[in-house]
Amino acid sequence: GNSVTQMEGPVTLSEEAFLTINCTYTATGYPSLFWYVQYPGEGLQLLLKATKADDKGSNKGFEATYRKETTSFHLEKGSVQVSDSAVYFCALTSGSGNTGKLIFGQGTTLQVKP
Amino acid sequence: KAGVTQTPRYLIKTRGQQVTLSCSPISGHRSVSWYQQTPGQGLQFLFEYFSETQRNKGNFPGRFSGRQFSNSRSEMNVSTLELGDSALYLCASSLAWSDTEAFFGQGTRLTVV
Repeated sequence: GNSVTQMEGPVTLSEEAFLTINCTYTATGYPSLFWYVQYPGEGLQLLLKATKADDKGSNKGFEATYRKETTSFHLEKGSVQVSDSAVYFCALTSGSGNTGKLIFGQGTTLQVKP
Repeated sequence: KAGVTQTPRYLIKTRGQQVTLSCSPISGHRSVSWYQQTPGQGLQFLFEYFSETQRNKGNFPGRFSGRQFSNSRSEMNVSTLELGDSALYLCASSLAWSDTEAFFGQGTRLTVV
């Protein structure tokens, strides 16, 4: 079945450091890919998405490119801030059009220190 | 516009009791999905509703049930609560079941003692 694998955390960085959180997936067909972020005590917020191969999603300085050949959707940011500290989830939907069900990775906790 | 509203935010129940959680989607959204979030299992899909019909169901026991009303509001019910049901329950809404963008509520934190 479909699945998502994320790098384990926590990831601890200093402010202004470069961020990469790895995400790979297993899916049949053409899934849509997402990154969600969860701040403490909050629900999930959509950070960015890509719906087809080679698409690049971007938002708030974060980027991820849908790589079908490597089945990956790695999250990157050039310069992190303390306010980026949160849990990041990579997710996919099947893309078959008959469901909006999201399959999530385990989440990666990011801690950014001043 | 108002986001997804889940009530209550926090709930403490005793083993064996039942509980009902409520979700009001964003105005105009007709699809509602529910997820369970626990430290051990992460985020797991429970149900998906569209136009009052359950379109998809996750791998949870029959004690977990849900429904959607004509105004798109949704409820989920857990009967005969177990300690392992303690979790954050998240509701997400989208325009339609095939929409690629889901908006999440803040969740209901259920603690079973």
